[in-house]
Amino acid sequence: EIVLTQSPSTLSLSPGERATLSCRPSQSVDSNYLVWYQQKPGQAPRLLIYGTSLTAAGTPDRFSGSGSGTHFTLTISRLEPEDFAVYYCQHYGNSVWTFGQGTKVE
Amino acid sequence: QVTLRESGPALVKPTQTLTLTCTVSGFSVSTTGVCVTWVRQPPGKGLEWLAFIDWEDDKHYNTSLKTRLTISKDTSKNQVVLTMTSVDPVDTATYYCARITSGLRYFDYWGQGMLVTVSS
Repeated sequence: EIVLTQSPSTLSLSPGERATLSCRPSQSVDSNYLVWYQQKPGQAPRLLIYGTSLTAAGTPDRFSGSGSGTHFTLTISRLEPEDFAVYYCQHYGNSVWTFGQGTKVE
Repeated sequence: QVTLRESGPALVKPTQTLTLTCTVSGFSVSTTGVCVTWVRQPPGKGLEWLAFIDWEDDKHYNTSLKTRLTISKDTSKNQVVLTMTSVDPVDTATYYCARITSGLRYFDYWGQGMLVTVSS
């Protein structure tokens, strides 16, 4: 089973700064099935990016995704106050879904 | 408007069976391409995928929990039900149901979640 390792666990930044979050699958994966979610305290996760780089409806332009194989990245170009949250990557393959352990942007 | 809402007991005793219901609106669980999945999140921890069911009743389960989980749907009520047997305090978590409609298998809409505590 594929393991997704996210780094760093916590990212301490200020509004206006650039955030770069990493997701590394334990083996090469199909980039069509790499997804990013945002979760704020007390809320359900919210879909941000799917298919590695496709932004979901309502996702601001400052969010972008990239990567392939065993390294994927979520970038927030300029942090807004509402972006401070936990971000999870997810992969689907062989009828199984796997989540990374999350990166907290504080 | 697409909504999903989880319901069930907030407190269950160890060894009991937990039954959770996901009631959806704004779409039908029997429509071609529609799938519903369950995810849980222990307090202060990350997300764990549990189970999946599609419009044709195809089902998939988390490998490590497979023997304890059953997912089903009631198309007349537009509901998806998850049962978990032999619960333990480590099963204490917020349980979410979510929708999948794309072949890319991402979860586009989520319920608000329901906290289930396993304790005697």
